[in-house]
Parts: sequence; C-alpha cells; structure tokens
Amino acid sequence: EVQLVESGGGVVQPGGSLRLSCAASGFTFSDHYMDWVRQAPGKGLEWVGRIRNKVKSYTTEYAASVTGRFTISRDDSKSSLFLQMNCLKTEDTAVYYCVRDNYGLDVWGQGTTVIVSS
Amino acid sequence: QSVLTQPPSASGTPGQRVTISCSGSSSNIGSNSVYWYQQFPGTAPKLLIYRNNQRPSGVPDRFSGSKSGTSASLAISGLRSEDEADYYCVAWDDSLSGRVFGGGTKLTVL
Repeated sequence: EVQLVESGGGVVQPGGSLRLSCAASGFTFSDHYMDWVRQAPGKGLEWVGRIRNKVKSYTTEYAASVTGRFTISRDDSKSSLFLQMNCLKTEDTAVYYCVRDNYGLDVWGQGTTVIVSS
Repeated sequence: QSVLTQPPSASGTPGQRVTISCSGSSSNIGSNSVYWYQQFPGTAPKLLIYRNNQRPSGVPDRFSGSKSGTSASLAISGLRSEDEADYYCVAWDDSLSGRVFGGGTKLTVL
C-alpha cells in the first residue's frame, strides 16, 4: 500500500524551530519529486515547496512566504522527507501535508499539525 | 488573495450538472497543466483531475476537467450528496516558480 506518514508537529513559540518528517512506503521513493502543502485552520490549501529527485540534483523550490526560513530535504536511503522550519511565525500555524509529486500531487499523508503560539 | 480565482461556493441538486471555474493567467494556467483536488472536512485532499482532463484510476467519469486559455473548469454530472466537499484547482506558475492553488470552492448538494 502506498503510504505517507508525517510526524514532528507540535506547539512552538514564535521565532522557534521545528522539523517535520515524512516516512514513505509502498513505492520507490527515490524516483519521485516530493512536496509539502499546508492548510491553516479554516483556510484553503497553500503550497510550501518541493524537492526533486536525484536525477534532478535534489533541487528545491519554495513559496515566497517561506523562502529563507524553511528547508526541504530528503533521505532516499530511508524513504524519508523532511521540512526544517525556522523563524516560525503565528501565520505558519497549519496542518502540514507530505505529498508525492507524480502527474499531480497524487498521494497525500494524513497531515501533522503545527501551532505557533506564545 | 489566491493567484488562481475560484468561486467560494457552488451548489446543485441531486442529478444536476455543476461546473466550478478556475481563472488564472498566462504564467500559470495559460502555460501549464491544471489539476483538481477534492477535500472532505478533516481529511487530506484527493487528486480528482490531472493534466487538465485526465482522471486517475478510481475517479468516476462523472468528474471531468477542461481548460481554455487562462481558465479551467471542473464539471460534475449526475450530482450526488457524497460530492459535497471543497474543490481546489492548482497549476504551476512560471513567474513565481511554484505551484499556485485556487482559494477553493465549497460545493453544497441541496
């Protein structure tokens, strides 16, 4: 079964850091680009960024709202995706989804919740 | 404000055909494929349409997508109560070098 499982969410103070993880299974993780998408409470979906595969040199792209603060990385040997979030702001409060990028964002995790609050 | 513009709400009665529009620009819809997602409250989104008009395996043929110029549409025919959900359009934006989502459309089945 193709599956993505996020972890690492929690409550953090403004200005703090958090690292989210996503464990992939059921498919060849290394072949695929991977994305992070978030959804603030009661709001729509917002793309956070993506990382390409080894063939494309693991290059990354980010939404303007997180550029310079968030970093996406991956460990193909462990079929894992990561999102390092620094200098967190209250507006970063959201459910964060790990998503496989394959002819669209075709497989989604269940999401992990990040709350930025003092 | 979302880069892609969707109506915030849409509605229809069972059996009816409903369309949801998605308006963009030359840097996104005008030059890239459009994708559509369905999301029920408290759950992760599900891919409904990819590459403008392709349905993933398992998606009923009641759902169809189209694109013309800088706009796209999702059509749902034979509307059912279980279609009541939020729908989002997405496209890559060459100017922003990133994906852009529509604000979402809440579909109500009356």
